[in-house]
Amino acid sequence: GDSVTQMEGPVTLSEEAFLTINCTYTATGYPSLFWYVQYPGEGLQLLLKATKADDKGSNKGFEATYRKETTSFHLEKGSVQVSDSAVYFCALRGMNTGFQKLVFGTGTRLLVSP
Amino acid sequence: DGGITQSPKYLFRKEGQNVTLSCEQNLNHDAMYWYRQDPGQGLRLIYYSQIVNDFQKGDIAEGYSVSREKKESFPLTVTSAQKNPTAFYLCASITVISGYTEAFFGQGTRLTVV
Repeated sequence: GDSVTQMEGPVTLSEEAFLTINCTYTATGYPSLFWYVQYPGEGLQLLLKATKADDKGSNKGFEATYRKETTSFHLEKGSVQVSDSAVYFCALRGMNTGFQKLVFGTGTRLLVSP
Repeated sequence: DGGITQSPKYLFRKEGQNVTLSCEQNLNHDAMYWYRQDPGQGLRLIYYSQIVNDFQKGDIAEGYSVSREKKESFPLTVTSAQKNPTAFYLCASITVISGYTEAFFGQGTRLTVV
């Protein structure tokens, strides 16, 4: 079945450092790919998305490129802030499910210190 | 503002009790979902409903029950048969926007067995 694998956290960075959170997926065809962010004690919010190969999703300084050849959707940000501290989830919407099911990775916690 | 409202935010349950978690949406979405979140395990699908008066089991439905009598409401009951109910529960509605799936999440309910 469809699955998403994320790097284990926590990822600990100083403010203004470069961020990469790795995400790879297993799915048939061309799934849609997403990054969600969860701040402490809250639900998930959509951060960015990509629906076809080579698409680049971007939002709030975060970017991720849909790489079909490596089945990856790594999240990057050039300069992180303390306010970016949260848990980040990679997710996919497969093509074989008969309903709108999202499959999530296990999440990666990001801690940014001043 | 449109969104998903979950209540209560914190819930304590005694052993052997049933408890019901509320989820209400005013987004006019047809599909609603319940996820369970445990540390290090990401989000796992409990139940989902595509339309009123219809719902399906997800990956971990044992010990849970749902109803969908109104489009706006999708309550989740955690029964005494659920052996390990302590977790963070997230309700979501999912819609298709410009050909891609987008999920909208509530703030979550943290359930603790005491």
